[in-house]
Amino acid sequence: KNEVEQSPQNLTAQEGEFITINCSYSVGISALHWLQQHPGGGIVSLFMLSSGKKKHGRLIATINIQEKHSSLHITASHPRDSAVYICAVRHYLGAQKLVFGQGTRLTINP
Amino acid sequence: ETGVTQSPTHLIKTRGQQVTLRCSSQSGHNTVSWYQQALGQGPQFIFQYYREEENGRGNFPPRFSGLQFPNYSSELNVNALELDDSALYLCASSRDVTYEQYFGPGTRLTVT
Repeated sequence: KNEVEQSPQNLTAQEGEFITINCSYSVGISALHWLQQHPGGGIVSLFMLSSGKKKHGRLIATINIQEKHSSLHITASHPRDSAVYICAVRHYLGAQKLVFGQGTRLTINP
Repeated sequence: ETGVTQSPTHLIKTRGQQVTLRCSSQSGHNTVSWYQQALGQGPQFIFQYYREEENGRGNFPPRFSGLQFPNYSSELNVNALELDDSALYLCASSRDVTYEQYFGPGTRLTVT
């Protein structure tokens, strides 16, 4: 079993819909990252969380440390949000590396 | 402020050859991490360099090696290339070991 599991693996929605991507992890962590990867490979860091909730524009990330679960929400989705969204955790011990989920491929249709 | 850059963008090599990939870290960052991302998979941690020393290594064989230079740029070297080494290689720099990582655009390596 992977240390970091994301769901769904693929998600297709219509423009304007509210999107939720989930991430569950099985290890103690010091931080969790949400990343966005566009075709061609470049990765952009969206959020780094260790507790609570963060908001940036239409993106909201939450984390529940006790339940080892995080969600990424996109409000008023737009076709330009189409990308792969990746959850990654930094171990509490051995904090130098990130362990990544498989990614969620999001497609927003106009 | 210049972001993280990687070179080359694409590379095709033959099995058994050696390859060197380069990463320039963002200004003010002393830590570089390298990741391998196979097609359709999440990135896998290869190793991290902090102030010119290796600071952690993932589950990769010794033919994957690296260097970090005094200006904190870094190289990833892979010897005796295998077909399974075909992947996107990403580097990420950070202000320090546990700070947020900023990723480069990646180098796509194809081994034939």
